[in-house]
Amino acid sequence: AAGVIQSPRHLIKEKRETATLKCYPIPRHDTVYWYQQGPGQDPQFLISFYEKMQSDKGSIPDRFSAQQFSDYHSELNMSSLELGDSALYFCASSAAGTSGVADTQYFGPGTRLTVL
Amino acid sequence: DAKTTQPNSMESNEEEPVHLPCNHSTISGTDYIHWYRQLPSQGPEYVIHGLTSNVNNRMASLAIAEDRKSSTLILHRATLRDAAVYYCILRDGAGGGADGLTFGKGTHLIIQP
Repeated sequence: AAGVIQSPRHLIKEKRETATLKCYPIPRHDTVYWYQQGPGQDPQFLISFYEKMQSDKGSIPDRFSAQQFSDYHSELNMSSLELGDSALYFCASSAAGTSGVADTQYFGPGTRLTVL
Repeated sequence: DAKTTQPNSMESNEEEPVHLPCNHSTISGTDYIHWYRQLPSQGPEYVIHGLTSNVNNRMASLAIAEDRKSSTLILHRATLRDAAVYYCILRDGAGGGADGLTFGKGTHLIIQP
């Protein structure tokens, strides 16, 4: 079965540079979520989109922005990168609709961002 | 958000059942109990969820206390591939379907061969 696709899988950037992470949800899924997982930490929710509109917001820094496009893929844009942004970034998708019950989230393999 | 409490780690032997507990004493009436797990170097993976009644699927069973203040994830025959961090997460069924998951500390399950 098709899974969530994330690109790139690995990314190395310098401090103060920008980075763009991409996420392609499972076909027919209308909701995308972004999570950040620092070294030795648990995943932390950043932001979600349903039908191209921002739906829920977590602890996403102001330097980060995200959007969902008409084909439902999503991009996380990160500017003025800091050393502390080094982490695994997971994207998840679901066929959430407006129901809180059937919104099982399916996670991608993650993008490992290293900021030097 | 209602919080969950899980043991930091548990150890079990291969091919034996594993019972992973979760306390959620402040659970509200509309909160669903979800379990996800994260295998090493992978993204989290959905395991099971329930509201009031016990639930079974091909991966595990979920036993929910009558007062809903605790639950137990049951792996009937653990294999080495079940070694992972298991997260118990409450999700408000009355909220939007696109709400993010709040991961707590989780239980690191170690399986001995």
